[in-house]
Amino acid sequence: EAQVTQNPRYLITVTGKKLTVTCSQNMNHEYMSWYRQDPGLGLRQIYYSMNVEVTDKGDVPEGYKVSRKEKRNFPLILESPSPNQTSLYFCASSANRGPSYEQYFGPGTRLTVT
Amino acid sequence: QKEVEQNSGPLSVPEGAIASLNCTYSDRGSQSFFWYRQYSGKSPELIMFIYSNGDKEDGRFTAQLNKASQYVSLLIRDSQPSDSATYLCAVTGGNQFYFGTGTSLTVIP
Repeated sequence: EAQVTQNPRYLITVTGKKLTVTCSQNMNHEYMSWYRQDPGLGLRQIYYSMNVEVTDKGDVPEGYKVSRKEKRNFPLILESPSPNQTSLYFCASSANRGPSYEQYFGPGTRLTVT
Repeated sequence: QKEVEQNSGPLSVPEGAIASLNCTYSDRGSQSFFWYRQYSGKSPELIMFIYSNGDKEDGRFTAQLNKASQYVSLLIRDSQPSDSATYLCAVTGGNQFYFGTGTSLTVIP
C-alpha cells in the first residue's frame, strides 16, 4: 500500500529535550516536506527536500532541522523544543512530475512541549 | 510573503445544494492550484488540482481557475453530509506549497 508514515503519532515532551519525528514514504517520491498546522494559521511549510541531500527552508524553519540521506526518509529534528512548537505536524511527499504534483500526507504527529 | 486567502466560514448548506468555496492568492507566478479536504483530526486528502484557466470537473466537484483575477474556486454539487469537512486551498510558488487557512463546510441533512 502506498503511504507516508510518521512516528510517533503523539508526543509530550519538555522544553529543551531534543526529539526527532520520523517520516518515511514507500512511493519512491523525490519531493518531501514538513508542515505544521496551527488553529487560525493553517498549514505552513517548515522544510522541504527536492531529492536526496537537497533540502531547503520553507516559511517557518526556525527551531527545526531536517536531513535527507535516503530517498524514502525525511526526519524532522527539534534540537531544543520550546512551547511555541506545540503543534500538529504533517509530513508529505510527491513525485516531481510537471505542475500537477499531488502531495500525499502522513497521518500527523501531535506534539506538545511543556 | 506569498498569501493564500480563504473565507474561514463556517459555511452551511442543506443536503443536495451546491457549496461554493473560494480562494484568492497573491503570487501571479503561481502555477498549480489544489483543493484538499481535511476531516477533523485527520490529514489532508487531495480532491482536485487545476493549472489552466477555466473549469475542471470530477464527479460532483468542479474547480474553477481565473489567473487574471488570481482566484480559484471549488463547487460541490449535490452536497452530502459526508462532505462536511474543512477545505484547504493550496498554491505552488517555485518549489514551495502555500496553504490557505481553510473553509469549514457543514452539510445539513
